[in-house]
Amino acid sequence: DGGITQSPKYLFRKEGQNVTLSCEQNLNHDAMYWYRQDPGQGLRLIYYSQIVNDFQKGDIAEGYSVSREKKESFPLTVTSAQKNPTAFYLCASTPFYSNQPQHFGDGTRLSIL
Amino acid sequence: DQQVKQNSPSLSVQEGRISILNCDYTNSMFDYFLWYKKYPAEGPTFLISISSIKDKNEDGRFTVFLNKSAKHLSLHIVPSQPGDSAVYFCAARGAGNEKLTFGTGTRLTIIP
Repeated sequence: DGGITQSPKYLFRKEGQNVTLSCEQNLNHDAMYWYRQDPGQGLRLIYYSQIVNDFQKGDIAEGYSVSREKKESFPLTVTSAQKNPTAFYLCASTPFYSNQPQHFGDGTRLSIL
Repeated sequence: DQQVKQNSPSLSVQEGRISILNCDYTNSMFDYFLWYKKYPAEGPTFLISISSIKDKNEDGRFTVFLNKSAKHLSLHIVPSQPGDSAVYFCAARGAGNEKLTFGTGTRLTIIP
């Protein structure tokens, strides 16, 4: 059964620590995306990657980093430089340059203690 | 600069009646529009989309209307069912651009 798996569902970290959120897809999609959702706001794009070993900054990339070493994996690291990291993080994927909609994982809620 | 706007944060509709969710956009380069439905603590799920070459697209109980001159789209759900209670996001994309721009969402509550 194909889909996008985000883990863990809930994550707690102390202030000042880096934390990495996992996103894996078995849909054979080329492009992958990371979004952040805050209460009362839409989804805002953090980073996206259209092919392996290549990625671009989205609208709110400061304080975040990504890697794309494998087609099926796109981990997001929330660094200590991110001033307000507590949020709901969503990963999505889509075939490259298609009119197919983005498919989303179920998200990771990150809370900084 | 909010390029995609959903001006109603919430909407309540009686079960069986029509739900109409609205979305406005400012970027004339957008040519593909989507609606997503989201339950709490889950990822959004795709509902329906429309290309700018059309003004209407229908899929079962869901119909999306696009008015390009007004830069406005709407999602109609009829008849509304309790399972439709969720947050609905509209999103837009420019030609040849993979990036989606999302609105802030409208929370729809269906009253039994």
